[in-house]
Amino acid sequence: EVQLVQSGAEVKKPGESLKISCKGSGYSFTSYWIGWVRQMPGKGLEWMGIIYPGDSDTRYSPSFQGQVTISADKSISTAYLQWSSLKASDTAMYYCARLREVRLGETYAFDIWGQGTMVTVSS
Amino acid sequence: DIQMTQSPSSLSASVGDRVTITCQASQDISNYLNWYQQKPGKAPKLLIYDASNLETGVPSRFSGSGSGTDFTFTISSLQPEDIATYYCQQYDNLLLFTFGPGTKVDIK
Repeated sequence: EVQLVQSGAEVKKPGESLKISCKGSGYSFTSYWIGWVRQMPGKGLEWMGIIYPGDSDTRYSPSFQGQVTISADKSISTAYLQWSSLKASDTAMYYCARLREVRLGETYAFDIWGQGTMVTVSS
Repeated sequence: DIQMTQSPSSLSASVGDRVTITCQASQDISNYLNWYQQKPGKAPKLLIYDASNLETGVPSRFSGSGSGTDFTFTISSLQPEDIATYYCQQYDNLLLFTFGPGTKVDIK
């Protein structure tokens, strides 16, 4: 079964660092981009960025560039999203998703999603 | 940046009704448009890709159409299990993605 399993919920204080994970299984992890999506409480979906684990090529949304770091360890089929200094406004659910290349080099869709990781930042 | 608008932001319809949601891009995006369903407390689910292609396993009452800047998502006969928020998503050739603001659908 193809799946993405994310790390568990986190409760942190402002200023702390955090790294959450997304482990892929059931497919060739290095052959698909992995994306991260934020959903703040009661709000819509916001695309944060993507990484290609095969060569670590990474793209960021301008809204999140410099605010987070996306990485991957292909040896353990895991992608990461990290913060160096959390803010209360980082409180949200974070989803990872696999990007399927529908038409070679042309069309794409996020076809497999993780269960989400809830991050709460509060003093 | 390409901006996405969706309308309506919410709707209430009866079981069996035809439901239509529109999504408009601020510039031509060809068919680089996907639709997702998100039920409360759950991760999003891909329903339609390339503007009009039904994802495997998705009921045929869901459909999509359009190209360029104007897109439509339709539920031909609303079912109770379709209560969810629906998002369009576009992307460009640099693989930069944007979600629309979402349309919340519930039962009247």
